[in-house]
Amino acid sequence: AQSVTQLDSHVSVSEGTPVLLRCNYSSSYSPSLFWYVQHPNKGLQLLLKYTSAATLVKGINGFEAEFKKSETSFHLTKPSAHMSDAAEYFCVVSDQAKGGKLIFGQGTELSVKP
Amino acid sequence: GAVVSQHPSWVICKSGTSVKIECRSLDFQATTMFWYRQFPKQSLMLMATSNEGSKATYEQGVEKDKFLINHASLTLSTLTVTSAHPEDSSFYICSARDPRETVANSPLHFGNGTRLTVT
Repeated sequence: AQSVTQLDSHVSVSEGTPVLLRCNYSSSYSPSLFWYVQHPNKGLQLLLKYTSAATLVKGINGFEAEFKKSETSFHLTKPSAHMSDAAEYFCVVSDQAKGGKLIFGQGTELSVKP
Repeated sequence: GAVVSQHPSWVICKSGTSVKIECRSLDFQATTMFWYRQFPKQSLMLMATSNEGSKATYEQGVEKDKFLINHASLTLSTLTVTSAHPEDSSFYICSARDPRETVANSPLHFGNGTRLTVT
């Protein structure tokens, strides 16, 4: 069975400092992995996706993630946090055995201090 | 890019009444749409998979008669919360996958969600 674990329920950074949101996955297949962002009372917006092409994936708003098979990780990073980055972030894996059903991590709340 | 529109964005209703939420794919045809429920500070829980022209597939523990799903066209799925009660208050989000992207690596495109409050 496929799963994802987000290692931190809450991360707090200062504006202008780097962001690291951690995600580990478990998959029997070569996984398809995604990061989504959710602002309060909004739907989810796709930040980036990994689909077995380049291991370093660049997304929107300056975010990127690196797929590391040896560590079964797909951590999300950004060099410099902005106040508008404060939101909930979800790491997601696509369960190919179940027709692409998405399996969500528990979410990480990112706070950005001025 | 693919756009999913959800309406209404928020609704307040009295206990015992029914509420309908609409989910539309605006620039693609979606044979399948997904309905999620999200409690405060929690992740998304898949409720059901809506299939155009056929019955929806419900996840274990989700009441079919409470959450009626209709997918009458390739661009519209509706979720009706019947005889709503305060415990049904939640954030409901629909999503769809653009068929022009392969299933294995295609993301879901989400609506903006509906905040339901039952008084």
